[in-house]
This record gives sequence, structure tokens and C-alpha cells, in this order.
Amino acid sequence: EMQLVESGGGLVQPGGSLRLSCEASGFTFRDHWMSWVRQGPGKGLEWVGSIERDGSATQYVDSVKGRFTISRDNAKTSLYLLMNSLRAEDTAVYYCARVEAPAGNTWYFDPWGQGTQVTVSS
Amino acid sequence: DIQMTQSPSSLSASVGDRVTITCRASHSISNFLNWYQQKPGMAPKVLIYAASKLQSGAPSRFSGSGSGTDFTLTINSLQPDDSGSYYCQQSFGLPPYTFGQGTKLEIK
Repeated sequence: EMQLVESGGGLVQPGGSLRLSCEASGFTFRDHWMSWVRQGPGKGLEWVGSIERDGSATQYVDSVKGRFTISRDNAKTSLYLLMNSLRAEDTAVYYCARVEAPAGNTWYFDPWGQGTQVTVSS
Repeated sequence: DIQMTQSPSSLSASVGDRVTITCRASHSISNFLNWYQQKPGMAPKVLIYAASKLQSGAPSRFSGSGSGTDFTLTINSLQPDDSGSYYCQQSFGLPPYTFGQGTKLEIK
């Protein structure tokens, strides 16, 4: 069974840093792009960023560029999100998700982890 | 950036009803459109990918259609378990890969 388990969330002051982890199992981790998606309180879903299979390329939404860094360790089947200079508006549940690309150019997020809460507040 | 607009933002329907949720993209995205279901306190799950392909394990009462800028998620014979929020998401070209704002479905 495919599984993604996030950890590392918590309460942090504005301007602080936090590192989220996502441990994968049940599939060949190194064969897939991976992503982070967040959901603010009572809000919709927002793609945060993605990382290439070998970690050689990353993509980010503009609002986190220069502050967040996505990385991965294929030997440990783990994905990471380093968040610096955190702001109140970064408060959200953060999900890691596998990028599934069954054929052609189409792709989607599946599965998702259970999420980890990040709260930025003084 | 491509903006995704869903309608309605919420709806209430009865068991057995047919429900339709629409999603409109600000630019043509061909068929690069996915639909997710999210229940309260849970992670989203994909229902439909590439606009019309049913994800393995998703109930056959769910179907998707559309291409270009206009897309539809249809739920035939609504079941109590279908309550929750539904999101469209575009996976076209360069990032950001945006979601619609969501549709909250309540079962009467």
C-alpha cells in the first residue's frame, strides 16, 4: 500500500524557520516527481512546489520563492520542505503528494499524505 | 498564471440526485484537468484525471467531461458518502498548478 507520512509541523514565530519531512513507502520513490500542497484554515488548496525525480530541478509558487526549499533523499525515500522567513499567511496544513503521470503529458497528485499543521504566530 | 473558477461554491442535494459542478480555466488547458474529493479533516483524493478518466477505485457514478476552458464533474445517483468538498486542478504547461476555490457538497 502506498503511503506518505508527514512530520515536523508546529507553532513558529513570524520570521522563524521550520523543516517538514515526508516519508514515502509502498512505491518506487525515485521514479516520481513529488510535491507539497497547502491548505490555509477554512481555505482551498494551493500548490506550493515540486521536485524532479533526482532532485535536479524544483518549481515553486511565487509567494514562497526565495523562502522555501524543497529537497529529497531517494535513499531514505523522503521529501523535505525547508521554510524560512515564515509569515502569518503561511499558516496551513501542508500535504506532500506524489505526482502520478500515467501516460502522455497528463499528471495528477496521488496519493497524498495526511498533512501536518504549520501555525505562524507570535 | 492560469486561474480556475469553480461553480457553485456550495450546493445541497438529495440522495439519488444528479449533481453537476463546473470549472472554468482562464486560458485553454486542453484536457489537463483533474478533480479531487476532500472530506473534512482528510487529505484530498483524486477522482478524475485528464478531464474524463476515472481514477482506479473511484466509484463509477463520478464522471468528467470538457476540454479547453470549460469542464464538468457529474455525480450520478448521489450517495450519502459523497458529501465533502470538490476541487478542480489544472496540470497544464508551466507552474503554478492552480486549483479551483472548491465546491462544498451537502447531502440533504
